[in-house]
Amino acid sequence: AQTVTQSQPEMSVQEAETVTLSCTYDTSESDYYLFWYKQPPSRQMILVIRQEAYKQQNATENRFSVNFQKAAKSFSLKISDSQLGDAAMYFCAYRRTGNQFYFGTGTSLTVIP
Amino acid sequence: NAGVTQTPKFQVLKTGQSMTLQCAQDMNHEYMSWYRQDPGMGLRLIHYSVGAGITDQGEVPNGYNVSRSTTEDFPLRLLSAAPSQTSVYFCASSNLGQGIAGANVLTFGAGSRLTVL
Repeated sequence: AQTVTQSQPEMSVQEAETVTLSCTYDTSESDYYLFWYKQPPSRQMILVIRQEAYKQQNATENRFSVNFQKAAKSFSLKISDSQLGDAAMYFCAYRRTGNQFYFGTGTSLTVIP
Repeated sequence: NAGVTQTPKFQVLKTGQSMTLQCAQDMNHEYMSWYRQDPGMGLRLIHYSVGAGITDQGEVPNGYNVSRSTTEDFPLRLLSAAPSQTSVYFCASSNLGQGIAGANVLTFGAGSRLTVL
């Protein structure tokens, strides 16, 4: 069975500082996709970043980057220069072959002014 | 672009009642799916479809029914609602296949909050 674990239910960061959210997953597959989604209070799910497992290079999107460690099955999200608008629930997700997506339980990020 | 449209946004049901959550997308996505979001549980896959006429079960399919008669629509039916089905429901869609820009990235609807009394 595929599972996604986010061990940090809540995190906080000072505005303009850097924070890292952790995610580990369990799989026996070699080809898959990993994602981070953001859910602000509006409830809308917004894609933050995507990583293909066959790519060794870590994905980056502006202030967001990942540390993908395939052997360790780890996929952490780093947010640099945190802004008030980054405050949200963050979900790590895994997409296996066969198109099933699995989500972690989420990390609630608070940004302190 | 409307993207993924879910209706209704809010619904209150009594135990035993039936209802359908509607989901429509205008992006010609092959893949459509339904999730429920419960506190401390993340999002869990209920049912999904990879094309018209094809549906399959996810992690938590019991009590829910789906059909995919067109590419655009993927309704979720609750045949006999139970309090355990109180949740926020999300519909999401995506393209399929590697190498296609945006492939495998889920686009979500705004969610539907369902309360079963």
